[in-house]
Amino acid sequence: AQSVAQPEDQVNVAEGNPLTVKCTYSVSGNPYLFWYVQYPNRGLQFLLKYITGDNLVKGSYGFEAEFNKSQTSFHLKKPSALVSDSALYFCAVREGSSNTGKLIFGQGTTLQVKP
Amino acid sequence: GAVVSQHPSRVICKSGTSVKIECRSLDFQATTMFWYRQFPKKSLMLMATSNEGSKATYEQGVEKDKFLINHASLTLSTLTVTSAHPEDSSFYICSVVPGTSGEETQYFGPGTRLLVL
Repeated sequence: AQSVAQPEDQVNVAEGNPLTVKCTYSVSGNPYLFWYVQYPNRGLQFLLKYITGDNLVKGSYGFEAEFNKSQTSFHLKKPSALVSDSALYFCAVREGSSNTGKLIFGQGTTLQVKP
Repeated sequence: GAVVSQHPSRVICKSGTSVKIECRSLDFQATTMFWYRQFPKKSLMLMATSNEGSKATYEQGVEKDKFLINHASLTLSTLTVTSAHPEDSSFYICSVVPGTSGEETQYFGPGTRLLVL
């Protein structure tokens, strides 16, 4: 069965410092991996995805993520955090061969960036 | 990315009434839309997959007679919460998939906050 784990409920970083939000996954086939961000009382905004190709994926707002097949991870990173990055972040996975299009979401990680 | 709207953004209703939530894909045709429910500070729970021109596929544990889904056109899907009760209060979010290649990104609507009194 497909699953996604975000081991940290909350990540705290100081503005200007690098940030990492962790995600590990489990699928039986090739994974399609996604990161979304959610601001309070809003829907989810797409940040980036990995389908195939280069393991380092660059996305919106300066975020990037690295696909690591051996560790089954897809951690979200940013070199220099902004206070405005404070939000709820979701990692999601879909099995590549799946024709349903359904995403499995992690439980979410709250990122708090302090000035 | 794709633009998805939801209406209403917020609704308060009395227990026992029905509430309809609309999800519109504004800049492309979507054969597939998804409906999610989210509790405060929790992950999204997939409720159902809405397919244009056919019956929705509900996830296990979701009452199809309670949560009626209609996907009558390629740009509109509706979720009707029938005979709403306070435990149905939640944040409902739809998403759309622009295409059928299998690599597409799901794009989400802004959500609808439902409060049942």
